[in-house]
Amino acid sequence: DTGVSQDPRHKITKRGQNVTFRCDPISEHNRLYWYRQTLGQGPEFLTYFQNEAQLEKSRLLSDRFSAERPKGSFSTLEIQRTEQGDSAMYLCASRAGGTGGNGYTFGSGTRLTVV
Amino acid sequence: TQLLEQSPQFLSIQEGENLTVYCNSSSVFSSLQWYRQEPGEGPVLLVTVVTGGEVKKLKRLTFQFGDARKDSSLHITAAQPGDTGLYLCAGGSSNTGKLIFGQGTTLQVKP
Repeated sequence: DTGVSQDPRHKITKRGQNVTFRCDPISEHNRLYWYRQTLGQGPEFLTYFQNEAQLEKSRLLSDRFSAERPKGSFSTLEIQRTEQGDSAMYLCASRAGGTGGNGYTFGSGTRLTVV
Repeated sequence: TQLLEQSPQFLSIQEGENLTVYCNSSSVFSSLQWYRQEPGEGPVLLVTVVTGGEVKKLKRLTFQFGDARKDSSLHITAAQPGDTGLYLCAGGSSNTGKLIFGQGTTLQVKP
């Protein structure tokens, strides 16, 4: 297993367009998380899945954002009607279940630029 | 709302110097993790501490979790240019595993 993969690495889109990002977690990890990170800041939690169930969504996740994890494997994050404020690095991470002591494995992220 | 305050936010030092980064909160966390992030890449886990008062060493890096599990520190001895990067602390929730990140400390080590 090569770790957590995210695609694409970079995305430039025009304001108002829809974009979709994909995350392939480590296969034996049942928990998957999406974070957003702006320049010079720490990542901010967006949402997480345990298997295929989306168990928590941040208030940061407006109605324009939707995430899915069909069959508990890969996940997609879609942003509809993008705005310039959506420009950020979108990070996906996975971990095995259990206590909070299990560390995350992050992907390399998708950098979104809305012009 | 749980918050983690990291200090300092920026640090520029000469090779060979020692430094300490602090991570403080008013909330108790089940675990505290430290990550290092290179530009354009995702954070990479350095260490996880779960027990109050725990100290872990990773070569020249020493990590400490406060007795009350509300704060942590990262100490680097004899810093090297390869240590340059963004250091992030993150507090973990025992039931969801969700992490709350500090704002990060950007470290620059000059040769």
